[in-house]
Amino acid sequence: EAQVTQNPRYLITVTGKKLTVTCSQNMNHEYMSWYRQDPGLGLRQIYYSMNVEVTDKGDVPEGYKVSRKEKRNFPLILESPSPNQTSLYFCASSLPRLAGGPRLPYNEQFFGPGTRLTVL
Amino acid sequence: KQEVTQIPAALSVPEGENLVLNCSFTDSAIYNLQWFRQDPGKGLTSLLLIQSSQREQTSGRLNASLDKSSGRSTLYIAASQPGDSATYLCAVEGRQTGANNLFFGTGTRLTVIP
Repeated sequence: EAQVTQNPRYLITVTGKKLTVTCSQNMNHEYMSWYRQDPGLGLRQIYYSMNVEVTDKGDVPEGYKVSRKEKRNFPLILESPSPNQTSLYFCASSLPRLAGGPRLPYNEQFFGPGTRLTVL
Repeated sequence: KQEVTQIPAALSVPEGENLVLNCSFTDSAIYNLQWFRQDPGKGLTSLLLIQSSQREQTSGRLNASLDKSSGRSTLYIAASQPGDSATYLCAVEGRQTGANNLFFGTGTRLTVIP
């Protein structure tokens, strides 16, 4: 079954304790992304990756790191979590839209089930 | 920067009614617009994707339209059912932003009353 998986699904931690949220997809997608969802603000992009070893900042990257060493995995790292990072996090993947390249039929993004993080 | 707005924020309807959810965006230079469904405690499920060159897409009781020039999209749900209760999100993939990156609205929370 084609899917995006995230772990853990729920996490309660304390300020300053480093944590990693994993994301994995089995669709051989080049593009992966992380979003956070907060009440009244909708989903906002944290970081994205166009391919292995290629990552870039989204709208709200402060306090987060990512890595893309393998095509299927895109972990989100919080080196020193703070209470304002309490949120619902989603990972997504899709085929890439290549600048100047062939036009893909469509560019549907597939989302993971979400990770609810609470930082005390 | 692209801004996406969804109105209303919440909507309650009796079962069987037809309803329309609205989405507007500020920059018409988009690749596509996607409608998602989000159930409490669960992820996002893609419902319909409309390419910028298309006017509408249909899937079962759902019909999504796109008017790119006016920056508007609607999601029409026919003969609503209690199982349609969820939050509906629209998102646009903008040409000016990084490729593939989506800008989301804050959603419309729909409740269908049996």
